Amino acid sequence: GQQVMQIPQYQHVQEGEDFTTYCNSSTTLSNIQWYKQRPGGHPVFLIQLVKSGEVKKQKRLTFQFGEAKKNSSLHITATQTTDVGTYFCAGPVSSASKIIFGSGTRLSIRP
Amino acid sequence: EADIYQTPRYLVIGTGKKITLECSQTMGHDKMYWYQQDPGMELHLIHYSYGVNSTEKGDLSSESTVSRIRTEHFPLTLESARPSHTSQYLCASRPSGATDTQYFGPGTRLTVL
Repeated sequence: GQQVMQIPQYQHVQEGEDFTTYCNSSTTLSNIQWYKQRPGGHPVFLIQLVKSGEVKKQKRLTFQFGEAKKNSSLHITATQTTDVGTYFCAGPVSSASKIIFGSGTRLSIRP
Repeated sequence: EADIYQTPRYLVIGTGKKITLECSQTMGHDKMYWYQQDPGMELHLIHYSYGVNSTEKGDLSSESTVSRIRTEHFPLTLESARPSHTSQYLCASRPSGATDTQYFGPGTRLTVL
């Protein structure tokens, strides 16, 4: 079946360092979404990418959608303690009204 | 901020009890979802609904049931709670149309003793 894989599972960085998480789908996606879940919280939508090769920025966060629309990345420049949490990518399941989430990357930061 | 609500937020209950977790949204979204998530782990879809009177089982086998009698309401019921049901349960909704964005409720943390 369709799978969405995410690496790394965990990342521990010094505050101010950069962070990247990668997402790979077993099938071509019509779009990809990214969510952030703070510890003890619920996932919150960050962004949706639709076009092949699309790049979007939100302040220190840069999102990319691969040319083949099967992979994506989220890059955070100069991490801050407010970036702590788990980042999930998600893509729609073909012919179904549901989306499939990646396993998530948990980011922790040393002040 | 999305208008999707879950009650209770926390629940501690004994084995064998029947419980219903409530989820309501005021956005008129057709599609609603229930996920099970252990702390810091991935989300597992257990039920979803396309609209009123439409429900489907998700990817993770679950002993729970759902109903969708009204658009805004999507309750999840466990007939006989067990310790293995201890987890966080997240409800989400999304509108029909081009966007796949899901809006999540705050979750219910369930502990079964």
